[in-house]
Amino acid sequence: AQSVTQPDIHITVSEGASLELRCNYSYGATPYLFWYVQSPGQGLQLLLKYFSGDTLVQGIKGFEAEFKRSQSSFNLRKPSVHWSDAAEYFCAAPMGQNFVFGPGTRLSVLP
Amino acid sequence: SQTIHQWPATLVQPVGSPLSLECTVEGTSNPNLYWYRQAAGRGLQLLFYSVGIGQISSEVPQNLSASRPQDRQFILSSKKLLLSDSGFYLCAWTGLAGVVNEQFFGPGTRLTVL
Repeated sequence: AQSVTQPDIHITVSEGASLELRCNYSYGATPYLFWYVQSPGQGLQLLLKYFSGDTLVQGIKGFEAEFKRSQSSFNLRKPSVHWSDAAEYFCAAPMGQNFVFGPGTRLSVLP
Repeated sequence: SQTIHQWPATLVQPVGSPLSLECTVEGTSNPNLYWYRQAAGRGLQLLFYSVGIGQISSEVPQNLSASRPQDRQFILSSKKLLLSDSGFYLCAWTGLAGVVNEQFFGPGTRLTVL
């Protein structure tokens, strides 16, 4: 069965530092992959998505993600983190009519 | 443009009381609709999804139920709430059945069962 894993439950970075959040998937064919962000008490907002083509995907809020088939990964990156990026981040992939979400990574940002 | 609403935003209910949460989508037709729950500090748990009016699929057996009385309305209900029903409930939709699209989420309902 298709699955999405996020190895890091909680990550803390300093404001201005670079960020990489990991996402791994298991899927036979080329997957569709998504990254969502959830601020406390809010719904989920789509950051970016990968369907096909260029493996480096640009998203909103300065985020990007790179699809690496050889590593079954779709890691989310940002070169310089802002305090407002503190949130929960979810990687996701469709499965039939549904979506499979990773367990999420909570990002804390130090001033 | 499409928008998704959830009502109410917050709710505090005693154990054993009924529940009705509403989700409505505007600006699209024939959406797939979803109910998720997030317990505190946990990920997303898919509860129900619907591909059309009156069509409900349950992912987790529990004391909750869902209904879709209209194309763009999705309701989550319970006859008797349990303490374990506390959590953050999210409604989501996707469009164009058979085409992969992202899910769009509502603002959520915070339910506290006392």
